[in-house]
Amino acid sequence: AQSVTQLGSHVSVSEGALVLLRCNYSSSVPPYLFWYVQYPNQGLQLLLKYTSAATLVKGINGFEAEFKKSETSFHLTKPSAHMSDAAEYFCAVSFSGSRLTFGEGTQLTVNP
Amino acid sequence: NAGVTQTPKFQVLKTGQSMTLQCAQDMNHEYMSWYRQDPGMGLRLIHYSVGAGITDQGEVPNGYNVSRSTTEDFPLRLLSAAPSQTSVYFCASRGTSGRFDNEQFFGPGTRLTVL
Repeated sequence: AQSVTQLGSHVSVSEGALVLLRCNYSSSVPPYLFWYVQYPNQGLQLLLKYTSAATLVKGINGFEAEFKKSETSFHLTKPSAHMSDAAEYFCAVSFSGSRLTFGEGTQLTVNP
Repeated sequence: NAGVTQTPKFQVLKTGQSMTLQCAQDMNHEYMSWYRQDPGMGLRLIHYSVGAGITDQGEVPNGYNVSRSTTEDFPLRLLSAAPSQTSVYFCASRGTSGRFDNEQFFGPGTRLTVL
């Protein structure tokens, strides 16, 4: 079975500060890992994905994530937050990219 | 490409009514799926399909039916709506080649309220 835990349902940062959204996964086989972003009243947009290539994955909008097998983690980071980053972020895991299991989501607030 | 489209965007039903949520994609993807999103619970898989004529249950299938007669369309049917089915529903399809390999594309969602 696979599962995802996102630590912190709400994260608040100041504009220009580091963004760190935490994701830990459980999977019995090497996983595919994804981060999605959802802006209010919209669908989900893929930020980045890990599919067993490089462990440091760069995505859109300046986000990146590092796959750490020893820690079963895939935390999302961005060096400098922008007001437009305010949204809900979801970490997801799957065996093959098909049946995604999502975390509960983290609402990111960016303060001016 | 229009990507993944869903209709309607909003729907209000009374308990016991039936309806079909429509989903279509124009990317020739074999794999399609339906999720529901509820506050604090992320997205949960309802049903999925690996190709025309093939469907299977996900995590929360009760109260929903699906069929897949064409590659493009994957409708979700609520046979007898219940208040517990109030949610936002997302359809997705999965890419299988090139840089979109293993990437799921999501529709804009249908916001359903059951009174």
